[in-house]
Amino acid sequence: EAQVTQNPRYLITVTGKKLTVTCSQNMNHEYMSWYRQDPGLGLRQIYYSMNVEVTDKGDVPEGYKVSRKEKRNFPLILESPSPNQTSLYFCASSFLGTGGTDTQYFGPGTRLTVL
Amino acid sequence: GQNIDQPTEMTATEGAIVQINCTYQTSGFNGLFWYQQHAGEAPTFLSYNVLDGLEEKGRFSSFLSRSKGYSYLLLKELQMKDSASYLCAVKHYQLIWGAGTKLIIKP
Repeated sequence: EAQVTQNPRYLITVTGKKLTVTCSQNMNHEYMSWYRQDPGLGLRQIYYSMNVEVTDKGDVPEGYKVSRKEKRNFPLILESPSPNQTSLYFCASSFLGTGGTDTQYFGPGTRLTVL
Repeated sequence: GQNIDQPTEMTATEGAIVQINCTYQTSGFNGLFWYQQHAGEAPTFLSYNVLDGLEEKGRFSSFLSRSKGYSYLLLKELQMKDSASYLCAVKHYQLIWGAGTKLIIKP
């Protein structure tokens, strides 16, 4: 089954404790992206990747890191989480077409709470 | 700058028709997506418009006017399961997302 998977689905942690949220897709997509979603603010892009070893900042990259060592995986790293990073996080992937990203397929989401 | 506007919330009655509007002002345009998102779940793809006009897909239709910077999503024969948020996104290399319209369906 074609899908994007994320783990963990739920996480409660404390300020400053490093964490990684994994994302994997099995559709051979070139493009992958991380978003956070907060009430009233919609989806905001954190980082994206056009291909292996190619990553770039989105609109809200501060406090986050990513890597793209393999085409299928795109982990999101919070080196020192803070309470303002409490949010619902989505990973998405797509092919690259004319003019940019094609239809994006989303993982199920990770609900993160930082105390 | 990049700006996408959608109504924050709309209410409609089961069995009725509702139109959700999206207006955009962006530095470029390569297409417009509509996604559906149920509370706490991932967005799922509904439609994609790149040329002007109406695209129909079952109970859902999407319209685009590039000259007016305007799109709408039309939902017919509303069902309770259509209660969700509807997200408009403009494609300009990345996707530029609107904040979404929460649609409430009443019996």
